[in-house]
Amino acid sequence: EAGVAQSPRYKIIEKRQSVAFWCNPISGHATLYWYQQILGQGPKLLIQFQNNGVVDDSQLPKDRFSAERLKGVDSTLKIQPAKLEDSAVYLCASSLDYRTNNEQFFGPGTRLTVL
Amino acid sequence: GNSVTQMEGPVTLSEEAFLTINCTYTATGYPSLFWYVQYPGEGLQLLLKATKADDKGSNKGFEATYRKETTSFHLEKGSVQVSDSAVYFCALSEGGGSNYKLTFGKGTLLTVNP
Repeated sequence: EAGVAQSPRYKIIEKRQSVAFWCNPISGHATLYWYQQILGQGPKLLIQFQNNGVVDDSQLPKDRFSAERLKGVDSTLKIQPAKLEDSAVYLCASSLDYRTNNEQFFGPGTRLTVL
Repeated sequence: GNSVTQMEGPVTLSEEAFLTINCTYTATGYPSLFWYVQYPGEGLQLLLKATKADDKGSNKGFEATYRKETTSFHLEKGSVQVSDSAVYFCALSEGGGSNYKLTFGKGTLLTVNP
C-alpha cells in the first residue's frame, strides 16, 4: 500500500515570496491533515479536511496561509507571503475517517527554509 | 486545553542499555495515548498506543502503560539498538466521539551508540 506522498521535500525561499506544498493521501482516506513542525517542537495541526470540506482550521494563520482539497483527494497548502517564522517542516497526514479514533499516517514532510 | 509534556533530550545511550522516556498529559476527558517515532529524513510512524486506563501498548520491544492515576504514559525498552536512534513523540487524542485530534509533546531525541 502506497503511503502519504508529499512534494517537494525541501524548499528555500526568501521572505515575502510565495510557496506551495502538495500532498497525496493514502487511497480511500477521507480525512487529511496539515501540520507545522517547528524545530524542537511537536507537530501542530494547521488544518483538517474531511473529503473536500474543512473540519478544523482554527490554528491556520488565514492572513497568509491557505489550503484546499478541491476533489477530496490530494491537497495543496500555500503560504503567501512567507515570513521568517514560517521556517518549519510541513507534514501531511491522512486517516480513514476523523470521526473514529483511526490511526493517522504521516508523509515524509516538506522542509521549508525562509531566508 | 489538552497538553503533553515529555522529558527533554537529547538522550544518549549505549547499545543494550535500558530506555525510559517520560511522558505526562493533561486532558479534560479520557484520551487515547500514543507514541510516534520519527527516523531521520522520514515522517512520523505510530510506534504504539493505548486507548484506556491500564492498557499496555507494545511494539518492537517498546512498551508503555496508560496510568490514569499519574496521567502518565512512559516509554520503555529493555535493550536499545543503534537502529532505535530517532525522535520520539508522545501524543494524545481526545475528541469526545466527534473529532479525534492529536496533541503532541515536543519530542525527545534518542541517540544510541554502538
